[in-house]
Amino acid sequence: DSGVTQTPKHLITATGQRVTLRCSPRSGDLSVYWYQQSLDQGLQFLIQYYNGEERAKGNILERFSAQQFPDLHSELNLSSLELGDSALYFCASSDAGIMSDTQYFGPGTRLTVL
Amino acid sequence: GQQLNQSPQSMFIQEGEDVSMNCTSSSIFNTWLWYKQDPGEGPVLLIALYKAGELTSNGRLTAQFGITRKDSFLNISASIPSDVGIYFCAGQLVGGADGLTFGKGTHLIIQP
Repeated sequence: DSGVTQTPKHLITATGQRVTLRCSPRSGDLSVYWYQQSLDQGLQFLIQYYNGEERAKGNILERFSAQQFPDLHSELNLSSLELGDSALYFCASSDAGIMSDTQYFGPGTRLTVL
Repeated sequence: GQQLNQSPQSMFIQEGEDVSMNCTSSSIFNTWLWYKQDPGEGPVLLIALYKAGELTSNGRLTAQFGITRKDSFLNISASIPSDVGIYFCAGQLVGGADGLTFGKGTHLIIQP
């Protein structure tokens, strides 16, 4: 158990819909990272937040957005969903804001878009 | 975006054999990381490398940061059944503020 929690574990929805994925970092960690894992693209970095502020941005679509709240939990919002958005979405946390810090991954949310 | 070429894609080995996998890139990385992912779980960090030429061990695992800073390898000695899983390399580009780049993974299968 990494100490990072993600909810829900599974999510099934339809194209065009909007969903919110939630992540609680390990106690004391200030940084949260979001990743997407699909069979064809592998693990792709989406976005990083540090202490409530956006720190780094990767291959995140404009239809996707994220935020980190004062209690340090984070939400990833995915809108106008397409079939290709079906994937595993991981959240990771680290204690500081440096990308090479040890990142502890949560168990992931499996999103299926029908 | 940047790509890491990880090989082999999969490995079928006998228990007790040594395993070797590697990652290469056309770009220079300032950090190399190796993760293992079990089915239904998130990746778990195995080894982190921060300097060119660095050789680091974690139990039966050994990884090295290539001198050119464009490659890294991971060795597993005397494999055991619990080594089964997918191994990913990941790197952070020099001066990069755009997150980790991951390889496509090496799927390790151990035959009894």
